[in-house]
Amino acid sequence: GENVEQHPSTLSVQEGDSAVIKCTYSDSASNYFPWYKQELGKRPQLIIDIRSNVGEKKDQRIAVTLNKTAKHFSLHITETQPEDSAVYFCAASIGGNNDMRFGAGTRLTVKP
Amino acid sequence: GAGVSQSPSNKVTEKGKDVELRCDPISGHTALYWYRQSLGQGLEFLIYFQGNSAPDKSGLPSDRFSAERTGGSVSTLTIQRTQQEDSAVYLCASSNSGGAYIQYFGAGTRLSVL
Repeated sequence: GENVEQHPSTLSVQEGDSAVIKCTYSDSASNYFPWYKQELGKRPQLIIDIRSNVGEKKDQRIAVTLNKTAKHFSLHITETQPEDSAVYFCAASIGGNNDMRFGAGTRLTVKP
Repeated sequence: GAGVSQSPSNKVTEKGKDVELRCDPISGHTALYWYRQSLGQGLEFLIYFQGNSAPDKSGLPSDRFSAERTGGSVSTLTIQRTQQEDSAVYLCASSNSGGAYIQYFGAGTRLSVL
């Protein structure tokens, strides 16, 4: 079955620096790759997603890149702010349908 | 409704008792998912429904866990003979099967087994 690996498990950066989180997946049929942010005590919420027909997508300070050949995708956050502190989850669709698997999460801490 | 609704929000039970957790997806969403999240951990996949059928139930950890969905809407996750290791937050999500795949999560049910 699909296996989604996420690194690092924890990441601490200084305010204003960039943060990068990387994920790999195993199912070559995966075609949808979302990223979710979960603040402490809250539900996960989608922050950005990318489909397999594009290599990069950007939304203000966040961007996601996808390398289908290598089966990896990354989340980039620039000019980090303390409110970016949360757990971030990557995910990959399975078999081209709605089934999905999540990575184990990255706890990002942005120090003021 | 406006979002995914889960009930109860908190459940405390004694070891060995059965519990039922309920999920009301966003109206019109045909796909529904259950996840388990232990304290400080990731999202452990349990089961995925497409309509009333479950094409993927590979994540259910044991035969004490079961789930059903009726009328293509509400789903119930049942845990029989609860154990202390079942303590976690159980999250439900729904998505539109039209290819959008975006999952919208409920607030979860925090289950504590004493």
